[in-house]
Amino acid sequence: RKEVEQDPGPFNVPEGATVAFNCTYSNSASQSFFWYRQDCRKEPKLLMSVYSSGNEDGRFTAQLNRASQYISLLIRDSKLSDSATYLCVARGNAGNMLTFGGGTRLMVKP
Amino acid sequence: EPEVTQTPSHQVTQMGQEVILRCVPISNHLYFYWYRQILGQKVEFLVSFYNNEISEKSEIFDDQFSVERPDGSNFTLKIRSTKLEDSAMYFCASREQANSPLHFGNGTRLTVT
Repeated sequence: RKEVEQDPGPFNVPEGATVAFNCTYSNSASQSFFWYRQDCRKEPKLLMSVYSSGNEDGRFTAQLNRASQYISLLIRDSKLSDSATYLCVARGNAGNMLTFGGGTRLMVKP
Repeated sequence: EPEVTQTPSHQVTQMGQEVILRCVPISNHLYFYWYRQILGQKVEFLVSFYNNEISEKSEIFDDQFSVERPDGSNFTLKIRSTKLEDSAMYFCASREQANSPLHFGNGTRLTVT
């Protein structure tokens, strides 16, 4: 079973749409969670950390459900520049290793 | 904004040759990492480094790989005898504290022919 699992997509949405990505993780002891964004052939860049209470940063909202071992990312009012691959990342309880999901590809069309 | 820098951006080498990939982490960061991403696949953990020693490594990080922080600023990944399947983008990353997010360099594309 994959440690961090994501729907690879692609999600094709029009500009202005709201889109949600989900991610599940298998290690119940995982402590920290993040969403990263990766553009084609570029490095991953931190989008936001995910907190237990849920958190929002502008058009982006992240939620964590520890009971279901599930993380989500909601993007409101999609922009063309949001087109990228979104990576779900979990850190285990021991050590410092971050485990990446395979990513969900988003394509925002005009 | 401080950033992680990696050199070279692209390295082409022949199978069996040694390569050294270089990274300069952000100056006040304490934890250092190497990840790789084979084209079209996910980002995979190789090794983490803290307090001048390896703290964790994955199954990928076998005897052909080594890391070093020789002078307190550079953080290097050496592949002793490259194989075709080592072709990938190699990302260096660092973070300030154990719970801080990772900051990635812009990667070195390694092509083994």
